[in-house]
Amino acid sequence: GAVVSQHPSRVICKSGTSVKIECRSLDFQATTMFWYRQFPKQSLMLMATSNEGSKATYEQGVEKDKFLINHASLTLSTLTVTSAHPEDSSFYICSAMAGETDTQYFGPGTRLTVL
Amino acid sequence: DAKTTQPPSMDCAEGRAANLPCNHSTISGNEYVYWYRQIHSQGPQYIIHGLKNNETNEMASLIITEDRKSSTLILPHATLRDTAVYYCIVRVETSGSRLTFGEGTQLTVNP
Repeated sequence: GAVVSQHPSRVICKSGTSVKIECRSLDFQATTMFWYRQFPKQSLMLMATSNEGSKATYEQGVEKDKFLINHASLTLSTLTVTSAHPEDSSFYICSAMAGETDTQYFGPGTRLTVL
Repeated sequence: DAKTTQPPSMDCAEGRAANLPCNHSTISGNEYVYWYRQIHSQGPQYIIHGLKNNETNEMASLIITEDRKSSTLILPHATLRDTAVYYCIVRVETSGSRLTFGEGTQLTVNP
């Protein structure tokens, strides 16, 4: 149980384009999902907290107009990187909170490379 | 959330127990100790968590000192697939509560 998937696992795009990453909780409902970013040889940094049916809460320094988050259902949250630039190249990871224990379960991550 | 301190790296022989320490001297009474691990280029994997009692599951054991200022994650029989970065995180167990990742411990299991 408590499986979280992400799609795509890897994406390469041109500078200036937008990229959408999906995060799904496969066997449980998640009212809260989180989006993290991880640069090489660094730890995970929380970008935003996504609550179903409401606006996401962004961490300081994260541009909400650049990283659009939609949590339209209890099993799906999406992160759209708009007008991507090479400095947005990173490993993006989502997590979903399982209600009974509030334990966070993580997706496998999405490797974004912006050329 | 309370800050944690972990050694940056550890080595362990395959088949032996791996004991990963974590200091959390400023932990509050309502904060749990969580352990996750991250194998290279994958998302973190939940291992175990506890409040004050020792905990055991199919993956590991968690030993929390009586004063709760430190804990040890024990992998009883380490395998090569246990090579990963292990994160010790303290967190209030409430809805929407965040995880703050530190640098963790790089555990390398050697054949």
